[in-house]
Amino acid sequence: DVKVTQSSRYLVKRTGEKVFLECVQDMDHENMFWYRQDPGLGLRLIYFSYDVKMKEKGDIPEGYSVSREKKERFSLILESASTNQTSMYLCASSMSGGYSNTQYFGPGTRLTVL
Amino acid sequence: AQSVAQPEDQVNVAEGNPLTVKCTYSVSGNPYLFWYVQYPNRGLQFLLKYITGDNLVKGSYGFEAEFNKSQTSFHLKKPSALVSDSALYFCAVRDPSNSGYALNFGKGTSLLVTP
Repeated sequence: DVKVTQSSRYLVKRTGEKVFLECVQDMDHENMFWYRQDPGLGLRLIYFSYDVKMKEKGDIPEGYSVSREKKERFSLILESASTNQTSMYLCASSMSGGYSNTQYFGPGTRLTVL
Repeated sequence: AQSVAQPEDQVNVAEGNPLTVKCTYSVSGNPYLFWYVQYPNRGLQFLLKYITGDNLVKGSYGFEAEFNKSQTSFHLKKPSALVSDSALYFCAVRDPSNSGYALNFGKGTSLLVTP
């Protein structure tokens, strides 16, 4: 079974702090994604990566950056956390080679910024 | 541009009755369509997907979905609902004529199955 893990289930940070969210997948997937989920808005793509050190902006990249130094790990970075970044963050991974490939999700990190 | 709509915020159904969760899409090419389920405080779990071929797709936990190209719909169905089916359901679409691998998700439909 595909397994996607996220470093924290719940996180509380203060405004202005630098925040790191880590995601690890164990299925050798090329593609990895970061989404945020907010009530009434569904999931919105922040960034995705299709290979090590490669990244592309999604729909809402402002205020975020990402890092992918190893194939299995994809990090989301909030350079200076703000209260409007309070949200559920979901990581996903998928194989490359076809746009029909299923994305598999981690359990999510609920981030609260005070 | 691609988009997906879930017209109902919430669907209520009695246990044992059939359920339908609606999804419509708008893409420029032939779509790839997905359904995911999210239980409270959990990540999304894949249920089923339509790529090509038979319009009726069967998935996990007894769910199925019907692709209707003329109505641009991909409704999720189950013949007999269980209380344990209560969760948040997301429809997602990918237009293969666009670059990139990301999915475009609907806003979600909350399903409540009452005993």
